[in-house]
Amino acid sequence: QSVLTQPPSASGTPGQRVTISCSGSNSNIGSNTVNWYQQLPGTAPKLLIYSSNQRPSGVPDRFSGSKSGTSASLAISGLQSEDEADYYCAAWDDSLNGPVFGGGTKLTVL
Amino acid sequence: QVQLVESGGGVVQPGRSLRLSCAASGFSFSNYGMHWVRQAPGKGLEWVALISYDGSTKNYADSVKGRFTISRDNSKNTLYLQMNSLRAEDTAVYYCAKDSYSYGHGYFDYWGQGTLVTVSS
Repeated sequence: QSVLTQPPSASGTPGQRVTISCSGSNSNIGSNTVNWYQQLPGTAPKLLIYSSNQRPSGVPDRFSGSKSGTSASLAISGLQSEDEADYYCAAWDDSLNGPVFGGGTKLTVL
Repeated sequence: QVQLVESGGGVVQPGRSLRLSCAASGFSFSNYGMHWVRQAPGKGLEWVALISYDGSTKNYADSVKGRFTISRDNSKNTLYLQMNSLRAEDTAVYYCAKDSYSYGHGYFDYWGQGTLVTVSS
């Protein structure tokens, strides 16, 4: 049972826009920024979005993040086949005194 | 470029110990917090432990508290995870990850490739 809640799966067709939600509480998302990680099949996770809505250099602007209250979301526009991966949200938790992850969302490009 | 290379994984019997290492290069290792994050087969990511840039602060997930110890040797640019009293549920790929800040309260901006630990009799 993960501290942050994500839908287990999401899907879309090439070119479509998809969003993945991440729900938490006051002790994590409600008081800290959210980060998103992309894990392509068989590889290590990679930072995708940090500080809720910032993209590291090299990450396409098709990826965007937002946060409101105790929830966050990741949006992917212009969906491409190479976006098929697992996506994880994470945030620092003030009560647990450590970072917490969502359970992950498997994105399928149909 | 930043590189994190884990080693030390393998097959170990329940109740035994194992030490993982993570060799860092391409950045000022002694300036950043570091983490261990694990992923059980077919499961999601689970944070395990963090250590601040100077080793003065160490935090652990409840699932490993009292059994695992995180440490670092800044002279060798190496992060460690000593795992004692291993259980079947500790079976996972263990990743080391660099934090964006000194005290480990930031985000994981770089990850290693992971090392597999299998706890089985």
